[in-house]
Amino acid sequence: QQQVRQSPQSLTVWEGETAILNCSYEDSTFNYFPWYQQFPGEGPALLISISSVSDKKEDGRFTIFFNKREKKLSLHITDSQPGDSATYFCAASGATGGNNKLTFGQGTVLSVIP
Amino acid sequence: GGIITQTPKFLIGQEGQKLTLKCQQNFNHDTMYWYRQDSGKGLRLIYYSITENDLQKGDLSEGYDASREKKSSFSLTVTSAQKNEMAVFLCASSMPDSNERLFFGHGTKLSVL
Repeated sequence: QQQVRQSPQSLTVWEGETAILNCSYEDSTFNYFPWYQQFPGEGPALLISISSVSDKKEDGRFTIFFNKREKKLSLHITDSQPGDSATYFCAASGATGGNNKLTFGQGTVLSVIP
Repeated sequence: GGIITQTPKFLIGQEGQKLTLKCQQNFNHDTMYWYRQDSGKGLRLIYYSITENDLQKGDLSEGYDASREKKSSFSLTVTSAQKNEMAVFLCASSMPDSNERLFFGHGTKLSVL
């Protein structure tokens, strides 16, 4: 049973466009949602995160929108750059807290065409 | 800053073989993790350790052993490699505070012939 689902599996956008990556979850106790970015041949690295008390978190060109009622969130990458081409993982953890309880989605592969 | 070093970078094994993957970190982090990454399946937790000599099973621990003999190192053993198995094993570390960021190594890519 996939507790955290991401869509689409892969996404291609032109340079300068906004890329929208979607994530949904099932466990209503999840309250912390980090997004990790992974380049080929490297490990994932934390990009941005949000807690369930907020509905939006912005960091430069990266914004998370969070809808607690629908158990959905999305990562928006504005003015996409070729250097943003990577795999993006949505993750979630719950009331018990801690990274050892992180559940990852299956990832979205983003390609940005110059 | 710190770094997580995983060895080897690539590992080729035979079916039924016992294989060991190693991970070292110099962040002085208390908690270390082993994740398995399969194409299209995301990251799944195999084992984690909150301190030296501690071991906790993740969702995917069957078929694996782990060892945390020192704070800075965490090793993972595939007890019996499965034919045609191919995956990337990622080591990570973090401080024990809730929601502290994970720092990952570059991974060990396993192929079983």
